[in-house]
Amino acid sequence: AQTVTQSQPEMSVQEAETVTLSCTYDTSESDYYLFWYKQPPSRQMILVIRQEAYKQQNATENRFSVNFQKAAKSFSLKISDSQLGDAAMYFCAYRSDSNYQLIWGAGTKLIIKP
Amino acid sequence: GAVVSQHPSRVICKSGTSVKIECRSLDFQATTMFWYRQFPKKSLMLMATSNEGSKATYEQGVEKDKFLINHASLTLSTLTVTSAHPEDSSFYICSARDVFRGRGTEAFFGQGTRLTVV
Repeated sequence: AQTVTQSQPEMSVQEAETVTLSCTYDTSESDYYLFWYKQPPSRQMILVIRQEAYKQQNATENRFSVNFQKAAKSFSLKISDSQLGDAAMYFCAYRSDSNYQLIWGAGTKLIIKP
Repeated sequence: GAVVSQHPSRVICKSGTSVKIECRSLDFQATTMFWYRQFPKKSLMLMATSNEGSKATYEQGVEKDKFLINHASLTLSTLTVTSAHPEDSSFYICSARDVFRGRGTEAFFGQGTRLTVV
């Protein structure tokens, strides 16, 4: 069975600094997708970034980028120039190519210090 | 595009009564919708997968007679919590997948429903 592990329950960063959130996963499949979702206090789940396993190039969305290490089964999220609005819970999620279910990590609470 | 509307956002009901939560895909068709439960400061727990026109698939440990799911159309799935008890109080979230988007695209989430049973 696939699993997703986020080992950092909470992280804090100074505004305008860079922070990296960790995520590891376990799977025996070769085709899959990885996601980072943000859940702010409103609790609306927002997609931050997506990575296809077959792509070697790391995904980037403005200030958000990932470091995808397929062999190590690692999928970290880097947030550059942190802003107060980035404060939220961040969830790493996995989805196989053959199943639409998302497997979720436990989440990391990100605190932005002004 | 790709908006999922979940209603109500908050509901308070008396113990023993039933409450219905709606999940609508506003601008796309969703043959599959997912219902999650989220405890405070915890991750999402998948309760069931809702398939249009067929019975929902429930995860192990989820009481199908307590959490009734109906997915009668391509744009609407409902979760009914029957004979609610205080321990059913939680945050419930639905998500839907746009069938016409490419494989690997993300699911879209509703705003969630805060259920409080008193």
